[in-house]
Amino acid sequence: QKEVEQNSGPLSVPEGAIASLNCTYSDRGSQSFFWYRQYSGKSPELIMFIYSNGDKEDGRFTAQLNKASQYVSLLIRDSQPSDSATYLCAVHSGGGADGLTFGKGTHLIIQP
Amino acid sequence: KAGVTQTPRYLIKTRGQQVTLSCSPISGHRSVSWYQQTPGQGLQFLFEYFSETQRNKGNFPGRFSGRQFSNSRSEMNVSTLELGDSALYLCASSLTGQGLQPQHFGDGTRLSIL
Repeated sequence: QKEVEQNSGPLSVPEGAIASLNCTYSDRGSQSFFWYRQYSGKSPELIMFIYSNGDKEDGRFTAQLNKASQYVSLLIRDSQPSDSATYLCAVHSGGGADGLTFGKGTHLIIQP
Repeated sequence: KAGVTQTPRYLIKTRGQQVTLSCSPISGHRSVSWYQQTPGQGLQFLFEYFSETQRNKGNFPGRFSGRQFSNSRSEMNVSTLELGDSALYLCASSLTGQGLQPQHFGDGTRLSIL
């Protein structure tokens, strides 16, 4: 059974600091990796996606992928109170796979 | 560009009833996936449709079914509702699916079973 593991938190980070969110996955055949942000009572919002090993940067966000270690991370630089939310890691194995497999999410709190 | 539209936003049903949820994908997107989100289980994949065909199905009972129309709009049906079906049902669309592009979610339908 495919699994995606995240630390549930809460992860508390001071405003302006770097928030580091981590995710591990069990299916070595996984091909695409996504980070979603979900505010309480709202639906998931796509933040980043990455398909190849290495880093991918978009504004204050950096996604990092290490397929050998089956590890994905999301860095948020210059954290703002508006970044406080639950961050969901999602993995897709491509082809005939069963859709996205989600972790349970990490609750991030940015302290002003 | 309009996002993914789900209707209705809220539904209250009783056990044994059936319900149909609707999803209109982003214009040009042909893949529609459905997910169930509960506090205990998190987000779980229900099924994916592409070109009016169910391409993948998650581990849910046959009471959960869906379909897709020629304009890529999709509906999801749950029959013989149970208390445990209370959840947020999310629809997501992407260009062609199969993990090749990101999926974008609608606001969801919150279903409560009494």
